[in-house]
Parts: sequence; structure tokens; C-alpha cells
Amino acid sequence: GQQVMQIPQYQHVQEGEDFTTYCNSSTTLSNIQWYKQRPGGHPVFLIQLVKSGEVKKQKRLTFQFGEAKKNSSLHITATQTTDVGTYFCASRGLSNDYKLSFGAGTTVTVRA
Amino acid sequence: GAGVSQSPSNKVTEKGKDVELRCDPISGHTALYWYRQSLGQGLEFLIYFQGNSAPDKSGLPSDRFSAERTGGSVSTLTIQRTQQEDSAVYLCASSQDRYGPQHFGDGTRLSIL
Repeated sequence: GQQVMQIPQYQHVQEGEDFTTYCNSSTTLSNIQWYKQRPGGHPVFLIQLVKSGEVKKQKRLTFQFGEAKKNSSLHITATQTTDVGTYFCASRGLSNDYKLSFGAGTTVTVRA
Repeated sequence: GAGVSQSPSNKVTEKGKDVELRCDPISGHTALYWYRQSLGQGLEFLIYFQGNSAPDKSGLPSDRFSAERTGGSVSTLTIQRTQQEDSAVYLCASSQDRYGPQHFGDGTRLSIL
């Protein structure tokens, strides 16, 4: 199946600071989705990127899909305590449009 | 509610027993997925349904695992002769079609003693 690697695995952030988490693949992806899972909760869909070089923003969150469609990033500005959780990227390969392969996630903690 | 519903929310059982987990997807969603998530880990794909058929069962860990979906709606995941390594949270997700975002239920936390 499609493999995506997420880095870092853990991100400990001072409240108010910015950080970025990355999702990388060795093969071309048809699209990529991002999900957030709060502690004790279930994954919640955030966004889907489809086009090469696509950039989408949701308030303080900026999502980007690489030009080669092999990587993606999530950048959070001015981190708040509400940003705590695990962020997963999930991808579909070019030949398989139904199966999402999830990365291992980046777990974010915030110190006030 | 309009979300994905899973039951039971928690299940504790003895090793060797069979368990049945239920998922009620969002009405009208044709695609349904089962995942397994161990503590602090990512999501492990188990099986995908499109309507009532399961074109991809590749993620089922062993022949002790089976799943069915009836009427294009409710799905059950059955684990026979449970073992301790089956302990995990089992998540169900549905989507409007196979291309779209997935909507997850709260999961069933399964503990095998």
C-alpha cells in the first residue's frame, strides 16, 4: 500500500509559536488529506489537497501540496492550547482511489 | 445524531471469546471503512466496503477477522477466538463516495484479558 512518512513524530510547542509538520512519500500521490485527533477522540477531517502546488488556509492553519505531489506540509501559526492533538496525513496513490493510507501522525503538545 | 455511530463504546472480554463490533454509518454514505488503532499509534486499515461488497479485505490481520455490511448501511466486524494482541480501538468511518473525506465514529475500545 501507499506509504507516507510524517515528521516529526512529536512536536512540543510554546504557546504563541509557529510550527510545521511534514508528510513525505516516495511515490506520486493522487491527493492528500489531513485529519486531527484530539486526545481521547476520533480523527476529524480537516482538508483535502488535490492539485500540484496547492495551498489552502484555515484560519491559523496553512496546508500545502508539493509541486511533485510527493509531499505535503501543515503549518500552524501562533499555536494555541486548542491545537493540542495528533495530526495525520492520509494519502491515496494514483492507482488506488479508495484506500487511504495514514501516516503515523505528529503529536502536538503546547506549553502555556 | 447525523454522525457515524459505533457500539459498544467499550468491550472487555476474555481471551478466546468472540466479539462483534457494530458500525452505523452516516445515512447515504456508500463507502465504509474499518481501522484499528493501537495506543499511541496510527490507523491500520482493515477493510473497505462499497455498498455491500468488500473489494478490499487486504488489511484483515488473520482469518479470525471478518466483516459484513447489509443493506448498504450497518456493518459488523467480528473477531473470533480473540487474543490479547487484538486489544485496540476499532474505528469505523464512512464517506459519501470512495473519493471523499472520511467521517469517523468514536470507536470501540476492545480489551482482551
